[in-house]
Amino acid sequence: QKEVEQNSGPLSVPEGAIASLNCTYSDRGSQSFFWYRQYSGKSPELIMSIYSNGDKEDGRFTAQLNKASQYVSLLIRDSQPSDSATYLCAIIQGAQKLVFGQGTRLTINP
Amino acid sequence: EPEVTQTPSHQVTQMGQEVILRCVPISNHLYFYWYRQILGQKVEFLVSFYNNEISEKSEIFDDQFSVERPDGSNFTLKIRSTKLEDSAMYFCASSRGPTVVGRTEAFFGQGTRLTVV
Repeated sequence: QKEVEQNSGPLSVPEGAIASLNCTYSDRGSQSFFWYRQYSGKSPELIMSIYSNGDKEDGRFTAQLNKASQYVSLLIRDSQPSDSATYLCAIIQGAQKLVFGQGTRLTINP
Repeated sequence: EPEVTQTPSHQVTQMGQEVILRCVPISNHLYFYWYRQILGQKVEFLVSFYNNEISEKSEIFDDQFSVERPDGSNFTLKIRSTKLEDSAMYFCASSRGPTVVGRTEAFFGQGTRLTVV
């Protein structure tokens, strides 16, 4: 079983709609969860961190965490073409090591 | 806004040669990392470094690899006797360090694209 699983996509969403990205993880002891955005050929850019069950909102982004279901998601409201990228879900394993999923490629269609 | 900087942005080397990838972490950060991403694959952890020593390393980080903090600002990754399969993007990252273990946000540099020919 993969440690962090994401649907690789591509996920196509019309401009202005809500994009929903999902991630599951296998380590029930995980406490820290992150969403990174990666444009093609670029480095991962931190968008959101979440540590507690429930929702966390930051501008157009909302992260949702359900530790019982081992599930974390990212919602992007009012999607823009500039949101087109690969979104990486990551967990902390041990003290500091980030473990990434394969990433979901998101395309926002004008 | 403080950022992690890496040099060079692109390095081409012949198989068997040694390369050194350089990073300047964010100045008040205490934890430093190297990750790599082979084209089309996921980002993989290589090594973490804290208090001038390796705190964790992956199976990938074998005797071919070494890290060093030669001065107060630079953090380097050395790859000895490079192989074709070492071709990848190498990302340096840093984090402030957890006030609660695990609750830390890591910020990535722009990466060094290593091509071994």
